[in-house]
Amino acid sequence: SQTIHQWPATLVQPVGSPLSLECTVEGTSNPNLYWYRQAAGRGLQLLFYSVGIGQISSEVPQNLSASRPQDRQFILSSKKLLLSDSGFYLCARTEGYSGNTIYFGEGSWLTVV
Amino acid sequence: DAKTTQPTSMDCAEGRAANLPCNHSTISGNEYVYWYRQIHSQGPQYIIHGLKNNETNEMASLIITEDRKSSTLILPHATLRDTAVYYCIVRPTNSGYALNFGKGTSLLVTP
Repeated sequence: SQTIHQWPATLVQPVGSPLSLECTVEGTSNPNLYWYRQAAGRGLQLLFYSVGIGQISSEVPQNLSASRPQDRQFILSSKKLLLSDSGFYLCARTEGYSGNTIYFGEGSWLTVV
Repeated sequence: DAKTTQPTSMDCAEGRAANLPCNHSTISGNEYVYWYRQIHSQGPQYIIHGLKNNETNEMASLIITEDRKSSTLILPHATLRDTAVYYCIVRPTNSGYALNFGKGTSLLVTP
């Protein structure tokens, strides 16, 4: 199966603290990987995407960053969280450059207090 | 990606067909129409996609107009578990870029 794992599932962090959300995928090689955020009552916002190890593209300037240390691992980070970083974070994938259908993970709920 | 327009919300009685419209008047010839849904507090779930022809799978049917400027997602026999936000997205084939979701249609299936 082609599975996407995200952790932690829920997280409560104080303002100014660091963040690390991890995503791993199974059952596929050379996937395109994505991080989305969904704030309360709003649509999905694309944050980062990666077409390969070490290749990261940012869609929205912010205090978040992403890294892809391995083919099937995608990490979302922040050095200092803001209240506005609260939301539902989703990792997603497509199967390489020619893949079109995007599949999502279970999501991680982040509350910054 | 071409922009899509969907109604903000819709209601449907349980057991009846739910017909969710989507306008994509600026769609290009190489863009597919995708539908996803998101049940509260879960990640979006892929439903179906198509280019020109109507498509059907175990979840739904997708009807695309001949000029491809609009489409309709049909849930033939809606259940309470189909209550969700439904997103219509258009996207080029062979694209390395992600889908951009709008606000979708909030479908409420009532008993």
